[in-house]
Amino acid sequence: KAGVTQTPRYLIKTRGQQVTLSCSPISGHRSVSWYQQTPGQGLQFLFEYFSETQRNKGNFPGRFSGRQFSNSRSEMNVSTLELGDSALYLCASSFVAGANVLTFGAGSRLTVL
Amino acid sequence: GQQVMQIPQYQHVQEGEDFTTYCNSSTTLSNIQWYKQRPGGHPVFLIQLVKSGEVKKQKRLTFQFGEAKKNSSLHITATQTTDVGTYFCVDNDMRFGAGTRLTVKP
Repeated sequence: KAGVTQTPRYLIKTRGQQVTLSCSPISGHRSVSWYQQTPGQGLQFLFEYFSETQRNKGNFPGRFSGRQFSNSRSEMNVSTLELGDSALYLCASSFVAGANVLTFGAGSRLTVL
Repeated sequence: GQQVMQIPQYQHVQEGEDFTTYCNSSTTLSNIQWYKQRPGGHPVFLIQLVKSGEVKKQKRLTFQFGEAKKNSSLHITATQTTDVGTYFCVDNDMRFGAGTRLTVKP
């Protein structure tokens, strides 16, 4: 079966712009989690969605938001981009919410200039 | 910040040497997971430990969960170049440890 698909894979934005990233989970998976990965901070949890509801949220400012659709696809949005938002954004899906096995996508690499 | 503390941050070994990474939590965990991320890749699930004192093996990899369910370790016997990557532990809130980057010199 198809894996977790993230789009776009690469993108370049400038400070102050906003960006939307998309994640299509494995068919049948209803939970989607988002992580930010940077060399300095490692893998930081952003949020988790299950059945269109945000179930858990990490310690990120309100500029970071997300949502999940009825087909379990998820999007995350970052508004008013800052240089420090440059990172690899990873999406992971799991069958159920909580401490479940995560299957990651290849990630979306965002560069903010 | 990180829920689990993971050490060491880096480990350089000669091929054939053993490798161990450790994770410690200040709170009791219901379970712990381990993932491996190859350079340029994404994290891939290795194993989940649930029971106190649990030990699981996958070929040359041995995973342990402490009796108090506050610490865990991953041990690789006789490393190979294919073991290169960053190994992460993940707590039951799906928070990742800082990771241990393993490099293997042939």
